[in-house]
Amino acid sequence: QKEVEQNSGPLSVPEGAIASLNCTYSDRGSQSFFWYRQYSGKSPELIMFIYSNGDKEDGRFTAQLNKASQYVSLLIRDSQPSDSATYLCAVKRGNNRLAFGKGNQVVVIP
Amino acid sequence: KAGVTQTPRYLIKTRGQQVTLSCSPISGHRSVSWYQQTPGQGLQFLFEYFSETQRNKGNFPGRFSGRQFSNSRSEMNVSTLELGDSALYLCASSPDLSRGGELFFGEGSRLTVL
Repeated sequence: QKEVEQNSGPLSVPEGAIASLNCTYSDRGSQSFFWYRQYSGKSPELIMFIYSNGDKEDGRFTAQLNKASQYVSLLIRDSQPSDSATYLCAVKRGNNRLAFGKGNQVVVIP
Repeated sequence: KAGVTQTPRYLIKTRGQQVTLSCSPISGHRSVSWYQQTPGQGLQFLFEYFSETQRNKGNFPGRFSGRQFSNSRSEMNVSTLELGDSALYLCASSPDLSRGGELFFGEGSRLTVL
């Protein structure tokens, strides 16, 4: 089982719709969870982090964490063409190493 | 505030050579991490430094090494280069270990091994 899995293929969403991204992790000792956005040819940038079960909202972004089910999700409301990017889920494991998923590409269609 | 600076941005080496990459973190950030990014494997953790000490190391062979200086600047070295070492090497800094997942990445050093 991979440390961090992001299984969905490229996600195409119409402008103004909600994009939903999911991520599962294997280490139950994981404490901290992060979402990074990476534009093509650029380096990743942190957009959200969540440490406690439940929802955390920041502007158009909402991160959701369920430690019992070992998943974390990211919702992007009112999707804009500028949201077109690859979104990377990252999990700080019990050994303090940060593990990244392979990412989900989001394409927002005007 | 200046961001994370990595040099060189691009380099081409041949198998068997060695390479040294440099990273200057954001001013005031004391933790520096290094990652390798490839299309097939994604982002993989190499090592993390804090106060000149390696705090964590990923599952890479001993050919990959690094160090951190007293001014928090860091270097990583890859010896005896192999074709599979071709990748984007990303350096990231964070304010301290307790916020080690809140990373600020540099633009990366793209290494091509021929």
